[in-house]
Order: sequence, then structure tokens, then C-alpha cells
Amino acid sequence: GAVVSQHPSRVICKSGTSVKIECRSLDFQATTMFWYRQFPKQSLMLMATSNEGSKATYEQGVEKDKFLINHASLTLSTLTVTSAHPEDSSFYICSATARGRFTEAFFGQGTRLTVV
Amino acid sequence: KQEVTQIPAALSVPEGENLVLNCSFTDSAIYNLQWFRQDPGKGLTSLLLIQSSQREQTSGRLNASLDKSSGRSTLYIAASQPGDSATYLCALDTGTASKLTFGTGTRLQVTL
Repeated sequence: GAVVSQHPSRVICKSGTSVKIECRSLDFQATTMFWYRQFPKQSLMLMATSNEGSKATYEQGVEKDKFLINHASLTLSTLTVTSAHPEDSSFYICSATARGRFTEAFFGQGTRLTVV
Repeated sequence: KQEVTQIPAALSVPEGENLVLNCSFTDSAIYNLQWFRQDPGKGLTSLLLIQSSQREQTSGRLNASLDKSSGRSTLYIAASQPGDSATYLCALDTGTASKLTFGTGTRLQVTL
């Protein structure tokens, strides 16, 4: 399978600051990347879909000004949590795919964000 | 809107038992279905992927089946081991560029 790398794996930040999470496809060009969020003991919820070179599509209820997504190249997407608050503390995980090449999406290792 | 439910939510079995995890979904118009494993605080490990046209997939001690007409998938784990302890998630791809809808998960514990 293809490899998706997510960085950092764990981050602690102060309330009010911004945090950037990177998602890279290491051995393929990802036409589409996804960002999910997972609260403790709950399942993954899709936050947004990003296609290279275009604006991300956010799911209902997800604040686009709060969670900035940039998919500037075919191998990199970033999620920036702006003005983080303790309620933003969660596990964030990305996935990437190349439609027409893969029938599945490949997941990063996830990022544990703690806002204090 | 696709809704995905997994039963049971938690399961504890002694080592060596065969077990079945269930996944139910409301919309049968799916592209594929995947089963994942998630260890505490970790990312996802893909276990099996079943295409819409397939009925089952096997990998080692794992067997996953898909019945679209009844909106169900099962993950069968043979001869369970303590190392199988994890949360198991099923996820459906409805064909919109690999966007997945995840189930609620089953937390499995295999005891010695």
C-alpha cells in the first residue's frame, strides 16, 4: 500500500495560539486528501475534503475560518487550527488517495492535539 | 445520509475464541467497504477492503463479508489472540472520491 505521513504526532499548545498539522503522501501523488477528527472513544468524523489547487470542501458544522486547510501540492496538505481552545483538543487524522490509481484512501498516523 | 452502526460496542473474549463483529449501514449504494483496526491513541491500520461487487475478502485469520441488500458486513476473526485487542472500525466509501463514513466501532479485548 501507499504511505501517508502525518506530522507532528503529538502537540500541546496554549489557548489562543495556532497549530499546523502536515499530511504528506510519500510515494504517490494524492489528488484528494481528507481530514478527520476523533473525540475520545468516538468514531472518526470527516471535517473536510481537499483537492490539489482548489479550496477545501467543509462538512456541515465545521468552521472553515477555524480549521484552515491548504492543499498546495499533490503531496502535501496542511490543517491549521487557528486560535485554538481547549475544546479543539482532539485526535486529527488525514487520509489521501489518487482516484483512478487506488480504490482506497491511505491514512496518516494521526495527531493528538492538546490545548491548555 | 449514510448511517453506520457497529454491534457490539465492546466485546471481551478469552484467547482462542472465534468471534464476529457486525457492521450495519442504511444506504446500500456503496463503492466499497473497509475494515480498520485502531490501537489506543494510534492511527488506522487497514485490514480488509471489499469492493461493491464482491461478497467477501480474506486475509490470514480475518474474513470480511458484505451483503449490500441487507446493509450488513461482518468481520470474522478466527482463533483470537491478545494481540488482536483493539478497536475495529468499518467504513463505507459511497463513491465520492474515497470520502469515508465510519461506523461507531467495536472495542475488542482478548484475554489470556
